Amino acid sequence: QVQLVESGGGVVQPGRSLRLSCAASGFTFRNFGMHWVRQAPGKGLEWVAIISYDGSNKYYADSGKGRFTISRDSSNNTLYLQMNSLGVEDTAVYYCARDAVTYLSHYGMDVWGQGTTVTVSS
Amino acid sequence: QTVVTQEPSFSVSPGGTVTLTCGLSSGSVSTYSYPSWYQQTPGQAPRTLIYNTKTRSSGVPDRFSGSILGNKAALTITGAQADDECDYYCVLYVGSGISVFGGGTKLTVL
Repeated sequence: QVQLVESGGGVVQPGRSLRLSCAASGFTFRNFGMHWVRQAPGKGLEWVAIISYDGSNKYYADSGKGRFTISRDSSNNTLYLQMNSLGVEDTAVYYCARDAVTYLSHYGMDVWGQGTTVTVSS
Repeated sequence: QTVVTQEPSFSVSPGGTVTLTCGLSSGSVSTYSYPSWYQQTPGQAPRTLIYNTKTRSSGVPDRFSGSILGNKAALTITGAQADDECDYYCVLYVGSGISVFGGGTKLTVL
């Protein structure tokens, strides 16, 4: 079945880096754009970044611009989020999600992972 | 900075109909905003209800429908059930590759 599984979360000190992964299965990964979305404790959902189906376009929310890098490896069906210079405000559950429409982004997301927790604390 | 607005909370009676809305702090929502809607219960990952304004995601009952009402996107739930009580989020595409979530609506069924 269609599945997304995030990993790589953990506890990290302020200023350090972390790389999240999202393993995709059950669908043709290279045909879909992919998103990262996060949710701070007790807060709402926040869109973080998107990468197009072929990796040629990447866009970021202001909160991560210049610090976060989204990438994908379609040979391994894996999405990544490299996060640098982490601050306490980056503490959240991070979800990966699939674009709802093949080859076209920004129409919404239709498949979600279960999330991985990132805690930034000294 | 673009802000996407949602009602913080809403109540509906069991069996009733409710319409949640999703707007922009400045400007109008159109089909080119590609509104989408998500349902989330505490501690769980979001579940997609609607994408591209009115397309229901796989397995979503037709009690849930999306539309544009005036200058906002709308999610209408008919025949409200107890397990519809949770948080609802919309997302709008605001251009330049950027999407923005609304602050969410906590729906109570009572």
